[in-house]
Amino acid sequence: SSELTQDPAVSVALGQTVKITCQGDSLRNYYASWYQQKPGQAPILVIYGKNNRPSGIPDRFSGSRSGNTASLTITGAQAEDEADYYCNSRDTNGNPVVFGGGTKLTVL
Amino acid sequence: EVQLVESGGGLVQPGGSLRLSCAASGFTFNTYDMHWVRQAPGKGLEWVSAIGTAADTYYLGSVKGRFTISRENAKNSMYLQMNSLRAGDTAVYYCARVSTGYYFYMDVWGKGTTVTVSS
Repeated sequence: SSELTQDPAVSVALGQTVKITCQGDSLRNYYASWYQQKPGQAPILVIYGKNNRPSGIPDRFSGSRSGNTASLTITGAQAEDEADYYCNSRDTNGNPVVFGGGTKLTVL
Repeated sequence: EVQLVESGGGLVQPGGSLRLSCAASGFTFNTYDMHWVRQAPGKGLEWVSAIGTAADTYYLGSVKGRFTISRENAKNSMYLQMNSLRAGDTAVYYCARVSTGYYFYMDVWGKGTTVTVSS
């Protein structure tokens, strides 16, 4: 089955911009969706499709795609953005759904 | 309020069985594909199984033949029957709703139920 690859950890200074990436063959055909998960909590959807935010998600969160790489950008990171972030997408090679391994974001 | 609530987790010995339930409310359950996603302690999210609106089913390779997903639209509920459980199945199990539109995304998640497989 296909895989989605994410950097295990990323850090950003408070108020600065950070990009979290997700790489995989499935992303050439499907948009990624992005989820934020804080310790002890269920994931929540933050970005889906070309660059769409669910209601209640701050506009500092944005998404993009280039080739086989999807990116989640946080412009002006806040302390409350410190969390694990996961990408996922449909897949046509094996399992119908695939998740990235997750990126732990630290806000300094 | 749109909500998913999982139940049925617990401690089970290797080789044992559990049946997880996911109760949906606040939306028209029978019009959505539904998924199970798990998270082993300290690990990332892992897709486990899905059931479509036509009751078509899909499974992660390592659970195929051991887990059975089902839904009961009249009760707004989804289930995961887990047999021949292994230590590697230990995880928090989440149910999630998948969007009906063009894009694929899981827009509603339950809080999860914990499954521990240990002797």
